[in-house]
Amino acid sequence: DQQVKQNSPSLSVQEGRISILNCDYTNSMFDYFLWYKKYPAEGPTFLISISSIKDKNEDGRFTVFLNKSAKHLSLHIVPSQPGDSAVYFCAATVASNTGKLIFGQGTTLQVKP
Amino acid sequence: EPEVTQTPSHQVTQMGQEVILRCVPISNHLYFYWYRQILGQKVEFLVSFYNNEISEKSEIFDDQFSVERPDGSNFTLKIRSTKLEDSAMYFCASSPPLLDRGWNQPQHFGDGTRLSIL
Repeated sequence: DQQVKQNSPSLSVQEGRISILNCDYTNSMFDYFLWYKKYPAEGPTFLISISSIKDKNEDGRFTVFLNKSAKHLSLHIVPSQPGDSAVYFCAATVASNTGKLIFGQGTTLQVKP
Repeated sequence: EPEVTQTPSHQVTQMGQEVILRCVPISNHLYFYWYRQILGQKVEFLVSFYNNEISEKSEIFDDQFSVERPDGSNFTLKIRSTKLEDSAMYFCASSPPLLDRGWNQPQHFGDGTRLSIL
């Protein structure tokens, strides 16, 4: 089941620069997308979400962009901080359904001081 | 900030034994979920629960699995006869009542229970 894919297993950026994490999906029924951050030995922590009626949502240093025609979303973190180092998961769901989240494989972000 | 709590943090069980994983969702949440993550793999949906019944379950959630909300606060996942391949991190999640129409509310996750089957 590869409905949600994060093709980059890891990303390394310098502190202060922009981090861009990417996610692709195949199911055109998905209409609500979320990004979660996960530290070792903790559960996923909700970061930011976007509904398919929008193409951008911003919350502080975090911005999510949605390109429905390309079935692609991205998370921008600017400026990146060492505390942002974690595994980032993209997830998608059909909002009118049971709320089941389909997750990508995750991207490990390392922000170097 | 309210959070989802899961106990125990680590459970070691002999193959074939029953195990119960416990979760206390956030108090005003109405929708409850279990997910699991086998080491090195994706987080996978197991089951969703609303209004005291299962609303959806995955192929993984076979007859060996059951969920229950025995009182107003706990949400449990039971595995009747554990197998080696049940070894994984199990995450409980909950989400608030709907906003207007649809499910535009994020799920909040607990820190998980690491289940090790010997």
